[in-house]
Amino acid sequence: DAGVIQSPRHEVTEMGQEVTLRCKPISGHNSLFWYRQTMMRGLELLIYFNNNVPIDDSGMPEDRFSAKMPNASFSTLKIQPSEPRDSAVYFCASSSRQGQETQYFGPGTRLLVL
Amino acid sequence: AQTVTQSQPEMSVQEAETVTLSCTYDTSENNYYLFWYKQPPSRQMILVIRQEAYKQQNATENRFSVNFQKAAKSFSLKISDSQLGDTAMYFCAFNNAGGTSYGKLTFGQGTILTVHP
Repeated sequence: DAGVIQSPRHEVTEMGQEVTLRCKPISGHNSLFWYRQTMMRGLELLIYFNNNVPIDDSGMPEDRFSAKMPNASFSTLKIQPSEPRDSAVYFCASSSRQGQETQYFGPGTRLLVL
Repeated sequence: AQTVTQSQPEMSVQEAETVTLSCTYDTSENNYYLFWYKQPPSRQMILVIRQEAYKQQNATENRFSVNFQKAAKSFSLKISDSQLGDTAMYFCAFNNAGGTSYGKLTFGQGTILTVHP
């Protein structure tokens, strides 16, 4: 089993640039979650999807952030334009049954915005 | 809203000894799930153990076990025979099985555990 796959693993960009983070959930899982981890705020849920449909995006910090899940095997989190305060580790996780099953995390994308 | 509190920012233990990490939570729900995740320096979030609130029996996974006290809203993790590879940040997490926060994982602040040789 490949587990949750995220790319890129590291991203360094300049303020104002567009950043796209990618996630492939575990095959057969129908719930997908995007988290952000910072020293100041810890781990926080940004958005989650069930059967490719966004269920709750109340954790998305502002309009500069957007997420899509065009099919069951792919999701993106986009930041446009990026700012230094967006620097964090972004995790994608998936589970087989929303709220009922364990969430399995990808390795994360470490984002640095200069 | 649910909250998860880990009151021990850092803990240390000698190799082969036992250590217990504390976690308390606050919820008005009756049906939920609790987890311990481990985050080593690689930053990967690794599931350690899971407990369903409706089960009275405490979960165990090899050297890892929990003490789940539902009335007290307490969920501690015991690591027996500590190994150097157990050195990591440990997060307690809550997942509501229903209600408005259905499906969301709420994390505690984390406890840094260091195992000394």
